[in-house]
Amino acid sequence: QVQLKESGPGLVQPSQTLSLTCTVSGFSLTDYSVHWVRQPPGKGLEWMGRIQSGGSTDYNSALKSRLSISRDTSKSQVFLKMNSLQTEDTAIYFCTRAHYYSGHYFDYWGQGVMVTVSS
Amino acid sequence: DIQMTQSPSSMSASLGDRVTITCQASQDIGNNLIWFQQKPGKSPRRMIYYATNLANGVPSRFSGSRSGSDYSLTIISLESEDMADYHCLQYKQYPLTFGSGTKLEIK
Repeated sequence: QVQLKESGPGLVQPSQTLSLTCTVSGFSLTDYSVHWVRQPPGKGLEWMGRIQSGGSTDYNSALKSRLSISRDTSKSQVFLKMNSLQTEDTAIYFCTRAHYYSGHYFDYWGQGVMVTVSS
Repeated sequence: DIQMTQSPSSMSASLGDRVTITCQASQDIGNNLIWFQQKPGKSPRRMIYYATNLANGVPSRFSGSRSGSDYSLTIISLESEDMADYHCLQYKQYPLTFGSGTKLEIK
């Protein structure tokens, strides 16, 4: 069955780099794009970026200078790296999948990982 | 960027009520809109995709509609389990953008 699971550190110090992994199963990264979405505590959802099935990436312009998304298809893993973290980056980080033409757009999500930026 | 204006930000309704939540798109997005339900501590759950299509396993009391640049999520008879936050998302153009969310409470 389709599964996505985020992993990474729960606490990051200000100005440091966040590294998260989304491990997927039940589908191929060469067929689906994987997106990252975050949600600060008590607030709405923010699209961060994606890596397409062919490997190209798109980013939220507000985060583009700090954000990088990559993948290892052999391990079915997608990676998020974001540098220069500040307290406002405290949020739950989710990964989700998309395939436009099949209608499988954001149909499965990971459970999310809470990241707190604090010294 | 496309702005999605969602309303209301919060609402309270009684069991059995008809409830409607709306998102207005600042540019043409066609039918490229998804509605999500999110309960506390949970991931978003896709309810409606391509503006009007009911996602797998979603109760038939939920429906989506479009009138021009206005998109609506309707619950025809509110049940207690529908208490949640609801979000819209446009996926016509990058960057993808979400509405600000609606908190639905039961009276």
